Amino acid sequence: AQSVTQLDSQVPVFEEAPVELRCNYSSSVSVYLFWYVQYPNQGLQLLLKYLSGSTLVESINGFEAEFNKSQTSFHLRKPSVHISDTAEYFCAVANFGNEKLTFGTGTRLTIIP
Amino acid sequence: DTAVSQTPKYLVTQMGNDKSIKCEQNLGHDTMYWYKQDSKKFLKIMFSYNNKELIINETVPNRFSPKSPDKAHLNLHINSLELGDSAVYFCASSPGLVGADTQYFGPGTRLTVL
Repeated sequence: AQSVTQLDSQVPVFEEAPVELRCNYSSSVSVYLFWYVQYPNQGLQLLLKYLSGSTLVESINGFEAEFNKSQTSFHLRKPSVHISDTAEYFCAVANFGNEKLTFGTGTRLTIIP
Repeated sequence: DTAVSQTPKYLVTQMGNDKSIKCEQNLGHDTMYWYKQDSKKFLKIMFSYNNKELIINETVPNRFSPKSPDKAHLNLHINSLELGDSAVYFCASSPGLVGADTQYFGPGTRLTVL
């Protein structure tokens, strides 16, 4: 069975500062990895995903995540955050050959002006 | 155009009542899901359907019964509501049954059981 751990439940960051949201996963087989974002009072939407190939994946709004197989991690980073990045961020994993997506418990990113 | 829509957005009801939540997607996707998000924001899958066929049925009380009249609709009926059913319920859809597929979520239905 797959599982996801997001160690930080809340991360406060000053505007224009860098941020890293941590995600570790556990699986006995190869995986697909995702970051979803939930803005206040909205549903989740995909931020970025790793399927195969280059271990560094980027989103259109400046976030990036790196798949590290040896450390079973998929941390999310942004070099300079904006007020509009305030949201809940969920890491998720799906095993190869399994359609079920397992989510972490989420990290609330709060941007301080 | 809304890709995945849910009705109602808010639902407040008494314990013991029966209620339904409706979901529709206009993306042409084959697979639809129901998720429950608790007060701590933990998101857990409940059911998935592919072309009207039940695929995933997690450990959910049988008071919860999903129904898919066609592949664009997945409704959730809940009998004998309990306090612990209070949560936000999200519908989602994806193109197929592949784990690599992006899931598209609806805006959620906040259910409050009094």
